[in-house]
Amino acid sequence: EDKVVQSPLSLVVHEGDTVTLNCSYEVTNFRSLLWYKQEKKAPTFLFMLTSSGIEKKSGRLSSILDKKELSSILNITATQTGDSAIYLCAVALIQGAQKLVFGQGTRLTINP
Amino acid sequence: NAGVTQTPKFRILKIGQSMTLQCAQDMNHNYMYWYRQDPGMGLKLIYYSVGAGITDKGEVPNGYNVSRSTTEDFPLRLELAAPSQTSVYFCASTPGQNFYGYTFGSGTRLTVV
Repeated sequence: EDKVVQSPLSLVVHEGDTVTLNCSYEVTNFRSLLWYKQEKKAPTFLFMLTSSGIEKKSGRLSSILDKKELSSILNITATQTGDSAIYLCAVALIQGAQKLVFGQGTRLTINP
Repeated sequence: NAGVTQTPKFRILKIGQSMTLQCAQDMNHNYMYWYRQDPGMGLKLIYYSVGAGITDKGEVPNGYNVSRSTTEDFPLRLELAAPSQTSVYFCASTPGQNFYGYTFGSGTRLTVV
């Protein structure tokens, strides 16, 4: 059974801290790994990672994939209260239907 | 450009009632999906479709049905609502070629009492 596991499930930090969120996966037919941010409503896209070792960056957020270890990390530096959200990791499978398998999510709370 | 539109946004159903969650996209995407999200959990795939007239079961299809008569619309039907179907439902779509992730609708929060 395809599986994606995120850790920690919940994290509370102070504004300005740096956080690292983890995602590991066990899937057949890996295509890519995606990170989403979910605030009140629908998930919004952050990154898609296909190649191992290549960091993707957007402002204070960055992410990297390790295909040998079957894992990925999402880093957020100089956190702000607006970063409070659930962060979802998902793996896309090489199949005709482009299905995503999601992890449970990490609930990140940034306190001022 | 509306993207993916879901209606209704909220609904309370009594046990045994039926309803249809609507999903429409205006991006000419071939692939569409229904996911449910329970508190503290990630998204679980209910049904998906790779084109008009083609649907298939996902991970948690029991208690649901879908149809895809047009490229734009992908309604999800609950026939006999049960408390276990209390959840937030998301519809999503993707073009079907050159995968760039999904476009999600804003969700439907369903409570079955």
